[in-house]
Amino acid sequence: ETGVTQSPTHLIKTRGQQVTLRCSSQSGHNTVSWYQQALGQGPQFIFQYYREEENGRGNFPPRFSGLQFPNYSSELNVNALELDDSALYLCASSLEERSYNEQFFGPGTRLTVL
Amino acid sequence: ILNVEQSPQSLHVQEGDSTNFTCSFPSSNFYALHWYRWETAKSPEALFVMTLNGDEKKKGRISATLNTKEGYSYLYIKGSQPEDSATYLCASYGNKLVFGAGTILRVKS
Repeated sequence: ETGVTQSPTHLIKTRGQQVTLRCSSQSGHNTVSWYQQALGQGPQFIFQYYREEENGRGNFPPRFSGLQFPNYSSELNVNALELDDSALYLCASSLEERSYNEQFFGPGTRLTVL
Repeated sequence: ILNVEQSPQSLHVQEGDSTNFTCSFPSSNFYALHWYRWETAKSPEALFVMTLNGDEKKKGRISATLNTKEGYSYLYIKGSQPEDSATYLCASYGNKLVFGAGTILRVKS
């Protein structure tokens, strides 16, 4: 059984650029959630995808967008990068979108915006 | 309580000590409470998911309790070991998973 993987591990971008982060969910999982973790804070919910549809969104602007593919892997896209977007981005997959299903996290992508 | 709050922020204990952390969460619109352990350079790993008031879960030396009416959960570690050193995150599921900032535990041998 393959765990959740994310790519790339680290990324450096400049303000105004666009970035795409990728996540492969654990085998058999159809739900992927994305989180942003800034220094000293807990992970903040960005959005969730369930069976290729967005299934909930946190307080993030529209320049944060995502996709889920038929194999349930997912992408997070951020346009017009700002300095405050510098953070660790985590994705997590779960068996279904139920509240009681534990989430399996990837190792994260560290994004630095200069 | 509007947000998920964890205390203490950090904790340093000696090997063999028992310790506990607190997670406070909004008691309205509650569906589940998650606990995760996050070791340095690894991914967060689920410890427990609890849904019912009065629920208690145990895994080895670690246990957790849940009070949904007053909106709190306790995580207990009995006989702490250096390998228990990690950040412990709790998260409340209303219509989305909301995390606290975590409790950093350091166990000295």
